[in-house]
Amino acid sequence: EPEVTQTPSHQVTQMGQEVILRCVPISNHLYFYWYRQILGQKVEFLVSFYNNEISEKSEIFDDQFSVERPDGSNFTLKIRSTKLEDSAMYFCASSESGGEDNEQFFGPGTRLTVL
Amino acid sequence: GIQVEQSPPDLILQEGANSTLRCNFSDSVNNLQWFHQNPWGQLINLFYIPSGTKQNGRLSATTVATERYSLLYISSSQTTDSGVYFCAVESWVDSSYKLIFGSGTRLLVRP
Repeated sequence: EPEVTQTPSHQVTQMGQEVILRCVPISNHLYFYWYRQILGQKVEFLVSFYNNEISEKSEIFDDQFSVERPDGSNFTLKIRSTKLEDSAMYFCASSESGGEDNEQFFGPGTRLTVL
Repeated sequence: GIQVEQSPPDLILQEGANSTLRCNFSDSVNNLQWFHQNPWGQLINLFYIPSGTKQNGRLSATTVATERYSLLYISSSQTTDSGVYFCAVESWVDSSYKLIFGSGTRLLVRP
């Protein structure tokens, strides 16, 4: 069964460093998403991406964040200068379409720890 | 924006017991999903159920969209059912494709 994959599973970085989290969405899906979950809290939307551009972003997704689809399979989230409060689990998701019948499938997550 | 409330926040069951988890939402939705977050933090899709009833083994879910709630039923619970159950919705009102998550129900099934 097709699935969303994410690498790495765990990333440890120093405050101020840049990190890139990688995702491979399901191959025939057209909509891509990043969510994050701070330990013990609910999952929060960061950004959605369709047709090679951002569709929507939350207020969390400030200038320190960027997304890219560098080739036909990968979807990346970059954090330019990490802060302690960026420590969280980051989930990538994809869906075949938007609107109705828009089931989103989630990857296993990348646990980011900022020291 | 749309509000999603889940109850109960915490639930402890003896293995073999049945349970019902509830998700209330404040406005019309075009997508509702139930997830199980396992102890490793992974979000497992359980149901995509904007309306109606679905069953998958010991789990079933019902969404009554007109009354703005969804229920997740777990029958004959097992210790492996432990974890956090999240309801997430996508709203017509917001005209966006993002999922809004509830705060979850933390389930512990004791042997």
